[in-house]
Amino acid sequence: SAVISQKPSRDICQRGTSLTIQCQVDSQVTMMFWYRQQPGQSLTLIATANQGSEATYESGFVIDKFPISRPNLTFSTLTVSNMSPEDSSIYLCSATGLSQREQYFGPGTRLTVT
Amino acid sequence: GDSVTQMEGPVTLSEEAFLTINCTYTATGYPSLFWYVQYPGEGLQLLLKATKADDKGSNKGFEATYRKETTSFHLEKGSVQVSDSAVYFCALSVSFGNEKLTFGTGTRLTIIP
Repeated sequence: SAVISQKPSRDICQRGTSLTIQCQVDSQVTMMFWYRQQPGQSLTLIATANQGSEATYESGFVIDKFPISRPNLTFSTLTVSNMSPEDSSIYLCSATGLSQREQYFGPGTRLTVT
Repeated sequence: GDSVTQMEGPVTLSEEAFLTINCTYTATGYPSLFWYVQYPGEGLQLLLKATKADDKGSNKGFEATYRKETTSFHLEKGSVQVSDSAVYFCALSVSFGNEKLTFGTGTRLTIIP
């Protein structure tokens, strides 16, 4: 299994600012993903983080709002840009191990936008 | 598109009761199926999985069987404990090599002593 850490664990940000969330995995993984979990709701995939190339975004999410980097196999960042209160959510990083069809999740970053 | 329909909650049971949380899915191809659990204040954890029809996933007393004929993956436990109180998510993944997950809405389970 893979252990995933995220920083920060939580933050309170002002409208119009940006926040970058870091995700670090303790072992090599194949796929890395970013999800959003809005209050009281399920998880929605934002994008697949591709190593060394542009992320693949799901419908309704765009690079200008959620730029993602993945410079190597074990690290990725998600930036939430020009934030509004509607961006208040938990953002989760996940990764798929080298040999198994299952995902491991980070503890999440709880973002509140005021 | 792919989707997961999950039993609506919240569900409240007494300790030692039998638990069933229903999950059905729609998918192109042959999905893998998962149950994830989110304990209060914690991140998402994989509870169990099944990758092909008739497989049974099991962990911590929980079980779920992949039923292709009914496109279902219902979660069951014979005797729940207070410590099982959590939110349970059913999910699927259809593409080997791009394992993005489609989640159900989640079911909040509360066990009363």
